Amino acid sequence: ETGVTQSPTHLIKTRGQQVTLRCSSQSGHNTVSWYQQALGQGPQFIFQYYREEENGRGNFPPRFSGLQFPNYSSELNVNALELDDSALYLCASSSGPASSTDTQYFGPGTRLTVL
Amino acid sequence: QQQVKQSPQSLIVQKGGISIINCAYENTAFDYFPWYQQFPGKGPALLIAIRPDVSEKKEGRFTISFNKSAKQFSLHIMDSQPGDSATYFCAATDNYGQNFVFGPGTRLSVLP
Repeated sequence: ETGVTQSPTHLIKTRGQQVTLRCSSQSGHNTVSWYQQALGQGPQFIFQYYREEENGRGNFPPRFSGLQFPNYSSELNVNALELDDSALYLCASSSGPASSTDTQYFGPGTRLTVL
Repeated sequence: QQQVKQSPQSLIVQKGGISIINCAYENTAFDYFPWYQQFPGKGPALLIAIRPDVSEKKEGRFTISFNKSAKQFSLHIMDSQPGDSATYFCAATDNYGQNFVFGPGTRLSVLP
């Protein structure tokens, strides 16, 4: 086990709703990254937070937002859900400062279905 | 330019055989190339990684070969075992590590 947990495991929402996904990083890990993994695809980088500040963002619209808290927990918020948002959402934590040599430890993901 | 291409999409290998997965990239700013293994219902887990200053890295049965001039890298799994059956992703990132780009994945099945 990686020590990274995510909740909930599964979630069903309808189009237009808002959703909050949660992640608990390994203790001491100051960097958390969020990814979207569509079925049969590789993870796509959404954004990264380092010490509660956004530290990089992929090609996702502003309705995808995040928060990182001092207690190593973080949130991914998605507003105005669309059918294409249906995917597995993964968080990954790594020790800071954010650097390409730090191993990312992934959680098991939250499966979001938008109807 | 941000894409990482990966092939094959799926691979079937007999137990004891060699599994080979290939990746290619365009962005010359990429300087860290990890491989991840993902089992159903789990998040990806780092398997092995390489930087472009070396052409090969070996850890146990897993070897990365890297060709900087061709912008290609590959994963070799020697003596493949049924427990290696999983989806494998290559990835790449630049020095800031702020934007990991993953390949589309290869589903490996190792037959007993």
